[in-house]
Amino acid sequence: QSVLTQPPSVSRAPGQRVTIACTGSGSNIGADYDVHWYQQVPGAAPKLLIYGNNIRPSGVPDRFSGSRSGTSASLDITGLQAEDEADYYCQSYDYNLSGWVFGGGTKLTVL
Amino acid sequence: EVEVVESGGGLIQPGGSLRLSCGVSGFIGNNNFITWVRQAPGKGLEWLSVIYGDNTTNYADSVEGRFTISRDNSKNTVYLQMNSLRVDDTAVYYCARGDLWFGPFNYWGQGTLVIVSS
Repeated sequence: QSVLTQPPSVSRAPGQRVTIACTGSGSNIGADYDVHWYQQVPGAAPKLLIYGNNIRPSGVPDRFSGSRSGTSASLDITGLQAEDEADYYCQSYDYNLSGWVFGGGTKLTVL
Repeated sequence: EVEVVESGGGLIQPGGSLRLSCGVSGFIGNNNFITWVRQAPGKGLEWLSVIYGDNTTNYADSVEGRFTISRDNSKNTVYLQMNSLRVDDTAVYYCARGDLWFGPFNYWGQGTLVIVSS
């Protein structure tokens, strides 16, 4: 059972838009800790996709965006491409645990 | 470009010990931290431990008392000593560097596989 909750899977057609939600609590996202998102393709290490709720590292397309509100956050991907097919994880810091917590991951399938 | 390289994984019997190493290129200063994350087969990411630039450490409850994180600044290397290993410790272990306290894991290694089995 992950501290942050994400849908296990989503699927969309190429060119469509998808939003992946991440729900936390008052000791993590709700405590004003930033939310970060990672993309993991099969067989590879996770890659930082969004940090500080809505900031894209250099090289990440602007099709990816993030937001945070209250105890939740979301990752938005527009103009889906086949290469976006991957697992996506949200992450935040939790003061009760004195460490980071991840969502369970969302498997995105681009049909 | 920061490079992170893990090593030390392998097959170990339950109850055994293993030490993982994480070599990080680039300066590890007071604003950085090095952390370990693992991923069991077919499962999600689990944060394990962190060591900050001032040598403060923290652990997830699942490994507290069994795992110890340490660093050798002269070698730009962080270690994860894993004792009393259990079958459910089987996972790919990733090392990562962050550049902002409570912040994201900016740079990740490729991971090293630990299999705990008799």
